[in-house]
Amino acid sequence: NAGVTQTPKFQVLKTGQSMTLQCAQDMNHNSMYWYRQDPGMGLRLIYYSASEGTTDKGEVPNGYNVSRLNKREFSLRLESAAPSQTSVYFCASSASGGNYGYTFGSGTRLTVV
Amino acid sequence: DAKTTQPTSMDCAEGRAANLPCNHSTISGNEYVYWYRQIHSQGPQYIIHGLKNNETNEMASLIITEDRKSSTLILPHATLRDTAVYYCIVRVGGNNAGNMLTFGGGTRLMVKP
Repeated sequence: NAGVTQTPKFQVLKTGQSMTLQCAQDMNHNSMYWYRQDPGMGLRLIYYSASEGTTDKGEVPNGYNVSRLNKREFSLRLESAAPSQTSVYFCASSASGGNYGYTFGSGTRLTVV
Repeated sequence: DAKTTQPTSMDCAEGRAANLPCNHSTISGNEYVYWYRQIHSQGPQYIIHGLKNNETNEMASLIITEDRKSSTLILPHATLRDTAVYYCIVRVGGNNAGNMLTFGGGTRLMVKP
């Protein structure tokens, strides 16, 4: 039972490069989320998708774009990476809009130099 | 969502009960109390949630005061694997993914042999 799978697990980018973080869940959840966590801090919501075909901004959306490719997959794209985007990125999913808890992936550790 | 206040850190002896407090004095009637934990370098893990009644599951118990202004998460027999950061989060209930899960600083619980 895989749950939420994120790829890659680690990535180093140069300033200005672009990349896409991938997330897939196999629990038939409707809602998916992208969070970032900076060192010593709590998680902050970047974007979320309440259901297939919809996406909405969270607390810190600037510099990111997302795509809900289908019910299983939700990707996060950095078009022009900046050092301020160095962080650990977590994807999560939930049934019923999160009323009964989120399931998180293991994270992608991104460093922008 | 209402803000929460948690101690920055706590210690607990292995095998003893760990009682983690949380204050949420401005909680609204439609807001639930959620607890998550994050073991080092991993994604957060859902533990338990409640509205006004005490709740228990296989992981923990949640005690909410009658006025709902504070709560306590109880790990009945703490093990070394319970060492983690514990987040108390207040969130509007219901099946709306836009009711965001907002993480604060949490309590760093250290279980000692």
